[in-house]
Amino acid sequence: SAVISQKPSRDICQRGTSLTIQCQVDSQVTMMFWYRQQPGQSLTLIATANQGSEATYESGFVIDKFPISRPNLTFSTLTVSNMSPEDSSIYLCSVWTGDNSPLHFGNGTRLTVT
Amino acid sequence: GDSVTQMEGPVTLSEEAFLTINCTYTATGYPSLFWYVQYPGEGLQLLLKATKADDKGSNKGFEATYRKETTSFHLEKGSVQVSDSAVYFCALSDGGATNKLIFGTGTLLAVQP
Repeated sequence: SAVISQKPSRDICQRGTSLTIQCQVDSQVTMMFWYRQQPGQSLTLIATANQGSEATYESGFVIDKFPISRPNLTFSTLTVSNMSPEDSSIYLCSVWTGDNSPLHFGNGTRLTVT
Repeated sequence: GDSVTQMEGPVTLSEEAFLTINCTYTATGYPSLFWYVQYPGEGLQLLLKATKADDKGSNKGFEATYRKETTSFHLEKGSVQVSDSAVYFCALSDGGATNKLIFGTGTLLAVQP
């Protein structure tokens, strides 16, 4: 199974600023995803990070707010832009290695916006 | 669209009690079904999965059977331990090549000694 390193593990940020979260995988993976887990709620898919092209966003999420990069098959970043307290959540990177494998998740980034 | 409905928590049990967490789903295709577990302060870990009707997934004493007729995937364990205290998420994949997951709301399980 893939080993996923996500940085930072947590951060406290001021409103109006931006934070970039990094996701590094120890092997090349077919697909990478970014999820959000708001306090007390379930996980919601933000977008699929596509290698070498623009990410595919789910309904309710836009590139200007959550720009995503995926320069190669082992690395992706998610930026939370112009943050507000409503962005306080856990952001999780997940990867799919293909075939019948399940999704694997990083430990998440716990973001608090003040 | 596809969705997962999960038993609300928290569920509080004594050690060695029997556990059931209900999960039902709505899907247009033939999804795969999963249970993920999130221990305090940690990320999600896959607990078990089932990819077709009547399959039974099992791991660490937990079991769940894919019931197409009742569109359910209930999680069970015969004797819970304090170390099982965590949040449990039922999920389905959309069955497509992208393997995106749709999650239920999660159920907090608290096991008391």
